Amino acid sequence: NAGVTQTPKFRILKIGQSMTLQCTQDMNHNYMYWYRQDPGMGLKLIYYSVGAGITDKGEVPNGYNVSRSTTEDFPLRLELAAPSQTSVYFCASSYSRTGMNAQYFGPGTRLTVT
Amino acid sequence: DAKTTQPNSMESNEEEPVHLPCNHSTISGTDYIHWYRQLPSQGPEYVIHGLTSNVNNRMASLAIAEDRKSSTLILHRATLRDAAVYYCILRTIQGAQKLVFGQGTRLTINP
Repeated sequence: NAGVTQTPKFRILKIGQSMTLQCTQDMNHNYMYWYRQDPGMGLKLIYYSVGAGITDKGEVPNGYNVSRSTTEDFPLRLELAAPSQTSVYFCASSYSRTGMNAQYFGPGTRLTVT
Repeated sequence: DAKTTQPNSMESNEEEPVHLPCNHSTISGTDYIHWYRQLPSQGPEYVIHGLTSNVNNRMASLAIAEDRKSSTLILHRATLRDAAVYYCILRTIQGAQKLVFGQGTRLTINP
């Protein structure tokens, strides 16, 4: 199993550009998540999905969009990039939301907006 | 999720066991104890979790006190790759979408 994979690893965007961060998991997990982590800070949840076709906002959704057309893939779209979106983005997945199950993280995408 | 308390930092030597403590005195009966770690410039990594009984996996062991008010993550033979920030968190059986990491314990491994 590859687990959770993310592409790209690094990206530099100019202000106003758009991009899609890709996330794929091969564990047949229902739940998938997008977090961002600013330097020295904790994780902030951007969006999550409880299954194909179902997504919901986390605590910091503004400026982002998601879709979940398959169980495996959960791309995150940045529209009109802003310097405040400079961060490291982590995708994660879990079998369920309960404490019985762990969340498994991808390696992250380091994004700089200048 | 209920609160956990961990030491800010710990240091150990390579190839020695490491015991990372976590206090969670307000734990409820349905809270699972989870441990994650984050290596420098990497994503969080799940380590282990348990409810009442001690747990072992290929990465570590989790020892849970009988009253469940504390737990200890045990790395049996630390390697340099184990240098990371270790987070102890409680997750309810109902769960929540977001993982909330506290300050964690920064583990330094000396060669």
